[in-house]
Amino acid sequence: GAVVSQHPSWVICKSGTSVKIECRSLDFQATTMFWYRQFPKQSLMLMATSNEGSKATYEQGVEKDKFLINHASLTLSTLTVTSAHPEDSSFYICSASKPGEETQYFGPGTRLLVL
Amino acid sequence: TQLLEQSPQFLSIQEGENLTVYCNSSSVFSSLQWYRQEPGEGPVLLVTVVTGGEVKKLKRLTFQFGDARKDSSLHITAAQPGDTGLYLCAGEQSGTYKYIFGTGTRLKVLA
Repeated sequence: GAVVSQHPSWVICKSGTSVKIECRSLDFQATTMFWYRQFPKQSLMLMATSNEGSKATYEQGVEKDKFLINHASLTLSTLTVTSAHPEDSSFYICSASKPGEETQYFGPGTRLLVL
Repeated sequence: TQLLEQSPQFLSIQEGENLTVYCNSSSVFSSLQWYRQEPGEGPVLLVTVVTGGEVKKLKRLTFQFGDARKDSSLHITAAQPGDTGLYLCAGEQSGTYKYIFGTGTRLKVLA
């Protein structure tokens, strides 16, 4: 199997606070994890590629200082939304791939609402 | 920037009808995947196509990768209410394992 979990599944926070979202591969080691953002009724937008033990690679237009990504182990990547604002409210989804494989296994997503 | 345009954006059909969803780009992709996503959940992989002209079937779903690997189609035969969802194509940027997602097609099948 290839199961990816995310925690929390949903979070509500006040504007200006920071929120951490975890992405875990439960039954395999993931050298690469991807973070996506999805606004209502829109498609997924790739934010960054996270490689274990190295700095994340961010897509154009994504602020690396605002969306901090840490991939400290082969089964865990975290996304921290710093100084969150209402416009950061979105559905954040991670995916993980096994070494040498193209298939991405997606997590269930985390819904963030910033008040 | 590689873009993937899907058409139609929305589709509402009666149970039993056939439909085709298109995924088009001006860029060439190493491979292309199709996903279905339910509200509030992550996307679920349906199929991966790699070779230009490749056709894959998954029960009532038929996927085709264009000869030039720039476009793809998804055909559903005799649609059922359980097929309702957001269908997404995603193309792999050559050699990167990174996928760019299409604009999405929201399908609703009425009983």
